[in-house]
Amino acid sequence: DGGITQSPKYLFRKEGQNVTLSCEQNLNHDAMYWYRQDPGQGLRLIYYSQIVNDFQKGDIAEGYSVSREKKESFPLTVTSAQKNPTAFYLCASSRQTGSTEAFFGQGTRLTVV
Amino acid sequence: DAKTTQPPSMDCAEGRAANLPCNHSTISGNEYVYWYRQIHSQGPQYIIHGLKNNETNEMASLIITEDRKSSTLILPHATLRDTAVYYCIVRVGAGGGADGLTFGKGTHLIIQP
Repeated sequence: DGGITQSPKYLFRKEGQNVTLSCEQNLNHDAMYWYRQDPGQGLRLIYYSQIVNDFQKGDIAEGYSVSREKKESFPLTVTSAQKNPTAFYLCASSRQTGSTEAFFGQGTRLTVV
Repeated sequence: DAKTTQPPSMDCAEGRAANLPCNHSTISGNEYVYWYRQIHSQGPQYIIHGLKNNETNEMASLIITEDRKSSTLILPHATLRDTAVYYCIVRVGAGGGADGLTFGKGTHLIIQP
């Protein structure tokens, strides 16, 4: 089945460690996005990519990094510079032509202790 | 600045129609109105979108005012499984720009038995 997959579902890390969250899609979508969600809050955009080898900062990019070496993959690294990394992270993808509805993964809940 | 304004929460009785309003008074001519919903701890799910005409699909109906400054999402026969946070988003249509698909805080719809 086509879809967007995030792994792992739960992730625990020690403070000061970098951690990379995986996002893979087999929908042949050009655009991919990363969001952060804190309890009781809406989604805040971290980074997005419209095409391979290109990406733009969203509203809260500080302390995060991304790469887009392949169309189907858009990994997010939460660096030690991110002051409050514990959150629910969501990845999404969409086409660039035709309908631009976005498809979301099921999220990764990151806890930094 | 937020492009849309939604009430933070609403209640609706099971079996009744749920009408969720959204104001988007600064919408541009090439921007679509999209609705998504997010059930607790899951990724958001696309519901429906429209430009200026009313739209209906198997999940909901979307009513857009003639001046396009507001819209209403209608769930015709709400069930308990419709309890979720509903997001209204305005976004440039296909190929129209490098926007990042920005979410606000949405409306928490609670369906009462």
